[in-house]
This record gives sequence, structure tokens and C-alpha cells, in this order.
Amino acid sequence: AAGVIQSPRHLIKEKRETATLKCYPIPRHDTVYWYQQGPGQDPQFLISFYEKMQSDKGSIPDRFSAQQFSDYHSELNMSSLELGDSALYFCASSEGQGTTYEQYFGPGTRLTVT
Amino acid sequence: AQSVAQPEDQVNVAEGNPLTVKCTYSVSGNPYLFWYVQYPNRGLQFLLKYITGDNLVKGSYGFEAEFNKSQTSFHLKKPSALVSDSALYFCAVRVPPGRRALTFGSGTRLQVQP
Repeated sequence: AAGVIQSPRHLIKEKRETATLKCYPIPRHDTVYWYQQGPGQDPQFLISFYEKMQSDKGSIPDRFSAQQFSDYHSELNMSSLELGDSALYFCASSEGQGTTYEQYFGPGTRLTVT
Repeated sequence: AQSVAQPEDQVNVAEGNPLTVKCTYSVSGNPYLFWYVQYPNRGLQFLLKYITGDNLVKGSYGFEAEFNKSQTSFHLKKPSALVSDSALYFCAVRVPPGRRALTFGSGTRLQVQP
């Protein structure tokens, strides 16, 4: 079965640089979520989109922005990177109007800021 | 605000013995509860969910969980542990009709010894 695809899998950036993370949801899933998992931490919700509109906002810094495109893929744009942004970034997808409720997670993008 | 607590950082069990990973929740309303497993350098894999109905839910890989409303708990169980079950387990909650994003517990590392 198709899964959530995230690219790149690993990314190394320097402080103050920008980064773009991409997420391709499971086919027919119309809702995308972004989570950040710091070292030894639980995943923290950043932002979500349903049918290309922002549906919810969590603890996403103002330096970050995201959007969902017409093909339902999503991109998380991160600017003015800080050392503390080093983390594993997960994308998850779900059926917004379906009854399955669970979110399916991608393998994550490991971002290292040096 | 909704929260999830996983009181044990680590659970050790011998292969073949039953295992329990504990989770309690604090929400206003009727929760949707989930268990996810995370293997090293991998994304979170969905194990099982409680939405409504039977308090005992069965999931992937022989895992099950019991929803206990009076004790606000949703403990994960398996009758006979395998070494391959060793991983990081997260309990998560969301409370409809509000935010669809998940709130995770701090995670419990399960170590199954041969």
C-alpha cells in the first residue's frame, strides 16, 4: 500500500539558512499534518491543511510557513534557521471527511542545523 | 486542554511474557485514543485506535488496548512479547469536534529481552 512520502530524508543547513521540506500524502487523503519531534521528545503539532486550506495551527514559529497544493502535497518552509530547529519533522495524512480518523505518518525528514 | 500521560519511561519484559504499556488521558469530552509505535530512525506506525463501542480494541501485530473511562486509561497490551516488539510506543489523543491534530504522550520505550 502507498505510504506518505517525505523528501528529503536528511538535510543539513547552517544557521540563518532556509529549508523546504516536502510531503506527499497517501492517495485520496485530503488532510496533511506537520509535526516536529526534538531529540528524546514526543511529536509536537505544527500545522495542518484540509483541502488546501490551513485547518489548524499549533506551535509553529513565525519563521516557518507551509502550504498545501492542488495535488495535495504540502511543503514546510523554514527560514532563519536556528540550532534549536534541529529535529525530526514528520508529515502525516488522513481522510478529512472519512471515518478512519487515524493519521498515517511518513518516515520523517531529519533536519540538522549547524 | 487535553493531555496524555505515559508514566513509565521504559518497560522491560522477557520474551514470551505479557506486556503492558500504560497511558492515561485528561480531556474535556469524549476522546479518540490512539497508539503508535516508532522504530529507530523510522516514522510512527499506527497500531490501534479507540473511537467508540467496545472498550477492548485489537490492532496490528497482536496488540490490544482497553479503554477505561472511569480510570481515564488506555493501556496497551500484548499476551506474549517478542524481541521485535522492542521500540518506542506513543499514546495519543484528540477530542472531536475540535482540533484534528494529535496530542502525544512522552513515549515509553519497550525493551523485550530474549
